[in-house]
Amino acid sequence: EAGVTQFPSHSVIEKGQTVTLRCDPISGHDNLYWYRRVMGKEIKFLLHFVKESKQDESGMPNNRFLAERTGGTYSTLKVQPAELEDSGVYFCASSLAGAREQYFGPGTRLTVT
Amino acid sequence: GNSVTQMEGPVTLSEEAFLTINCTYTATGYPSLFWYVQYPGEGLQLLLKATKADDKGSNKGFEATYRKETTSFHLEKGSVQVSDSAVYFCALEGGFQKLVFGTGTRLLVSP
Repeated sequence: EAGVTQFPSHSVIEKGQTVTLRCDPISGHDNLYWYRRVMGKEIKFLLHFVKESKQDESGMPNNRFLAERTGGTYSTLKVQPAELEDSGVYFCASSLAGAREQYFGPGTRLTVT
Repeated sequence: GNSVTQMEGPVTLSEEAFLTINCTYTATGYPSLFWYVQYPGEGLQLLLKATKADDKGSNKGFEATYRKETTSFHLEKGSVQVSDSAVYFCALEGGFQKLVFGTGTRLLVSP
């Protein structure tokens, strides 16, 4: 069974540009989460999808971040326009309905210069 | 709100030494507790978990016991190996399905 995959693994962009991160969850997992780790600090929750609906987006830092989950399958996280403080590692995770155990992808390292 | 506090790293040990990484938490209700590990160049992997007080999670020689009275979930291993070098994250899930993580503790094991 394939795990959670994320693309790209690393992205370097200039301040003001747009970047789109993609996450493919484990097949059959209704729950999809985005987290990020900035500057070696704690990993922080961004948002949670149940199928195609946003269940909780309380961790989204501001309206420069837009997350979508098309048809309840893969998800994208767009940052527009990117700022220096957006640099960090963005993790995606998924879980089965009703399960507390989340499976993480390898992360996307975003560097904004 | 919910929070997790981990000991600062890095923790540097020689092979076969005993490992303890401290983790304490603040939460309302009865959270589930987790340890995740990130090996160099890889993503987060679930190492072990405990879902109620006095539960002991274990995997790959690592253990952690859910202590409600001290709100702790310390990670231990009796004899570390070089291959255990990684960053370890303590986390809780407080019923709203989102994980709350500590800052991570880097473990460096030398031969």
